[in-house]
Amino acid sequence: QLVVTQSPSASASLGASVKLTCIVSSGHSRYAIAWHQKQPEKGPRYLMKVNSDGSYFKGDGIPDRFSGSTSGAEHYLTISSLQSEDEADYYCQTCGTGVWVFGGGTKLTVL
Amino acid sequence: QLQLQESGPGLVKPSETLSLTCTVSGGSISSSSYYWGWIRQPPGKGLEWIGTIYYDGTTYYNPSLKSQVTISVDMSKNQFSLTVTSVTARDTAMYYCVPDVGATAAYWGPGTLVTVSS
Repeated sequence: QLVVTQSPSASASLGASVKLTCIVSSGHSRYAIAWHQKQPEKGPRYLMKVNSDGSYFKGDGIPDRFSGSTSGAEHYLTISSLQSEDEADYYCQTCGTGVWVFGGGTKLTVL
Repeated sequence: QLQLQESGPGLVKPSETLSLTCTVSGGSISSSSYYWGWIRQPPGKGLEWIGTIYYDGTTYYNPSLKSQVTISVDMSKNQFSLTVTSVTARDTAMYYCVPDVGATAAYWGPGTLVTVSS
């Protein structure tokens, strides 16, 4: 069964960097994943797609501060030079045989 | 630029049928570049994929919702629709229609809030 796991919460200081983790269940580690951001009172925003080789393709207008990477079944979203508007929920999502699966999301707090 | 807009009733009674429509502009719903999908987010909860459809009618559904939902496409109106039957309070959510590009939501619209209540 395809399962996507994320830590429920993360925090980092203004101006610092943070690395959010997304784990895809065993047997599906080579699936590409996507990251989406959900700010309070706003609709979600597509950030990027991260392929199994670690290459990533960002959505229009996504700042350079956002980057993606992969190590086996673990996929990462790194946000550098954290800003207050980065405080949001971040969702990892993958797809297997036409069925999408979202992780539970990570709530990022900017201190 | 591709734009999607959800429309439908904001309030539905329990046990009734929820129907939403997504109007696509800036592109053709019959484009081979896209599937078209629905995603929802209940208040205080995470994102939940509902399903996707291709212009030829090929559909994929969330297994946990499959018995309750239908997605269809109307090429003449450049629209696709979502129907959820026998709704309960659990179906209260923001509903988003999205273009599926490479098995993800490349764009997100504003969404529409649907409340299930008598």
